[in-house]
Amino acid sequence: AQTVTQSQPEMSVQEAETVTLSCTYDTSESDYYLFWYKQPPSRQMILVIRQEAYKQQNATENRFSVNFQKAAKSFSLKISDSQLGDAAMYFCAYRRNFGNEKLTFGTGTRLTIIP
Amino acid sequence: DAGITQSPRHKVTETGTPVTLRCHQTENHRYMYWYRQDPGHGLRLIHYSYGVKDTDKGEVSDGYSVSRSKTEDFLLTLESATSSQTSVYFCAISPPGQGQPQHFGDGTRLSIL
Repeated sequence: AQTVTQSQPEMSVQEAETVTLSCTYDTSESDYYLFWYKQPPSRQMILVIRQEAYKQQNATENRFSVNFQKAAKSFSLKISDSQLGDAAMYFCAYRRNFGNEKLTFGTGTRLTIIP
Repeated sequence: DAGITQSPRHKVTETGTPVTLRCHQTENHRYMYWYRQDPGHGLRLIHYSYGVKDTDKGEVSDGYSVSRSKTEDFLLTLESATSSQTSVYFCAISPPGQGQPQHFGDGTRLSIL
């Protein structure tokens, strides 16, 4: 079974600084997708970024980028120029590329932005 | 927004009572999912559906049943609620195509006293 591990329950960063959230996963598959979701206090689950395992290039969405290391099964999220609105729970999720497979989530990292 | 509505948004009920949560989508997607979110566990899959009347169990399905009589509606039922089912419940839909992310409803906070 696939597992996703987020080893940092809480992180904090000064506003305008850069922070990196860690995620590792375990799978025997070679074809899969990885996602980062953001959950602000409003409880919404918001997709931040997506990475396909077969793409070597790291995904980027504005201030959000990932460091995808397939061999190490690592998928970290870097947030640049942190803003107060970035404060949220961040979940890493895995999905193998077969039909419409379920997502397997990590336990989340709570990010606090310090003004 | 992905066009998913969950109802109710909040519910408090007593142990032993039946509870039904509703997920409604306007996207006409085949795949729908129910997850529960608990501290220290992230989101875990309860049940999912791949079409009308086609459903299957997820990793935490004990004590839950689902039904899907129409494409747009996916119901989650707790036949006899227990305090361990106090949680936040999320519905999700998945567009067709490889690698499509799931889109989530706003969640239902369910408290069982």
